[in-house]
Amino acid sequence: EVQLVQSGAEIKEAGDSLKISCKASGYIFVRFWIGWVRQMPEKGLEWLGLVYPGDADVRYSPSFQGHVTVSADTSLTTAYLKWATLKSSDSATYFCVRGPLYGGTIFFDYWGPGTLVAVS
Amino acid sequence: SSDVTQDSAVSVTLGQTVTITCRGDNVSLPYVSWYQQKPGQAPTLLIYGKNMRPSMVSDRISGSSSVTTASLTITGAQAEDEGVYFCSYRHRDGDPWVVFGGGTSLIVL
Repeated sequence: EVQLVQSGAEIKEAGDSLKISCKASGYIFVRFWIGWVRQMPEKGLEWLGLVYPGDADVRYSPSFQGHVTVSADTSLTTAYLKWATLKSSDSATYFCVRGPLYGGTIFFDYWGPGTLVAVS
Repeated sequence: SSDVTQDSAVSVTLGQTVTITCRGDNVSLPYVSWYQQKPGQAPTLLIYGKNMRPSMVSDRISGSSSVTTASLTITGAQAEDEGVYFCSYRHRDGDPWVVFGGGTSLIVL
């Protein structure tokens, strides 16, 4: 059974750094893209970035590139989302997603439960 | 631009058929996927590729597209179908790699 287990809620102050995690299990970690989707309160979904653990290729949304870092540790089958400097506008729920490639498209077949990040 | 747009809300009478649309450039299948999100939960995948459904998704749900519009159709709407529906499009040749529509809130009357 595929599972994405995310780290717990975080309460931070603007200017702090933060790294949240997503532990994947139940599949071959290096064969699927894995990444992050943001949802601000009462808002829609925004894609931040994806990493392919097999070769460490990383793709970012232009809206988030330079502000977050997406990475993966194949030995721990864990993906990470890191901020060097948080802003209050980073307050949101962050979902970990698994992204298979299929016929030239990518979609998100498994979602973690979300990690709430609150920045004051 | 790679924006995709969705109606903010759609309603359907119990048992009837409803179509939710996603409009934009290059939103034709197989590049569009659809997700349902219920309050307080993570989204779940409904449709991917050329109208492919994960095994746990009801066959009352189907996807289709024209040149600039992708559609999700729910036949025989049930109360459990209430939620917010998001389309997602992969921009194959440029950035951003993945775009989500703004979401359509489905109300079952």
